[in-house]
Amino acid sequence: AQSVTQPDIHITVSEGASLELRCNYSYGATPYLFWYVQSPGQGLQLLLKYFSGDTLVQGIKGFEAEFKRSQSSFNLRKPSVHWSDAAEYFCAVGPFSGGYNKLIFGAGTRLAVHP
Amino acid sequence: DAMVIQNPRYQVTQFGKPVTLSCSQTLNHNVMYWYQQKSSQAPKLLFHYYDKDFNNEADTPDNFQSRRPNTSFCFLDIRSPGLGDAAMYLCATSRAGQRSNQPQHFGDGTRLSIL
Repeated sequence: AQSVTQPDIHITVSEGASLELRCNYSYGATPYLFWYVQSPGQGLQLLLKYFSGDTLVQGIKGFEAEFKRSQSSFNLRKPSVHWSDAAEYFCAVGPFSGGYNKLIFGAGTRLAVHP
Repeated sequence: DAMVIQNPRYQVTQFGKPVTLSCSQTLNHNVMYWYQQKSSQAPKLLFHYYDKDFNNEADTPDNFQSRRPNTSFCFLDIRSPGLGDAAMYLCATSRAGQRSNQPQHFGDGTRLSIL
């Protein structure tokens, strides 16, 4: 069965520090992987996606993620965190069937940023 | 701007009183999804429409129904809301195709409270 694990429920970093949010997936074939961000009371905004090709993908707001098939991981990184990055981050795998993706989300990682 | 719009943003209903949540989109996407997100949890897919074809998830309660009268609109009906149905309900859309790897676009959600 497909699943996504985000091992860290909460992470706190200082503004300007680097960030890495972990994501591990379980999927039998080539996965379609996504990172979404959710600010309080808002919907989900797509940060980046991986479908194929270059394993290092760039996203919006200075985020990047690296797909590592050997580790079944798709970790999200940002070199310098801003206070506005405080939010909940969801990793998702999207099995592609019938011409579209159905998303399976991880439990999320809540990021707090200290000034 | 093209977008996914959910109305209302906040909905309060009484225990057992039917309620309808609305989603509209200007993206002309052929797939529309409804997710339920309880506090501090990941979004959980309830069902989706691919054009006019309705696809229910196996564990979605019968209490939840959906209608899609046209491409732009999709409704979530909760026939007899219980206290456990209090949650954020997210609508999303995507464009499907043979080789379409299009991500899902989310609305800002409707937060449903049950009195």
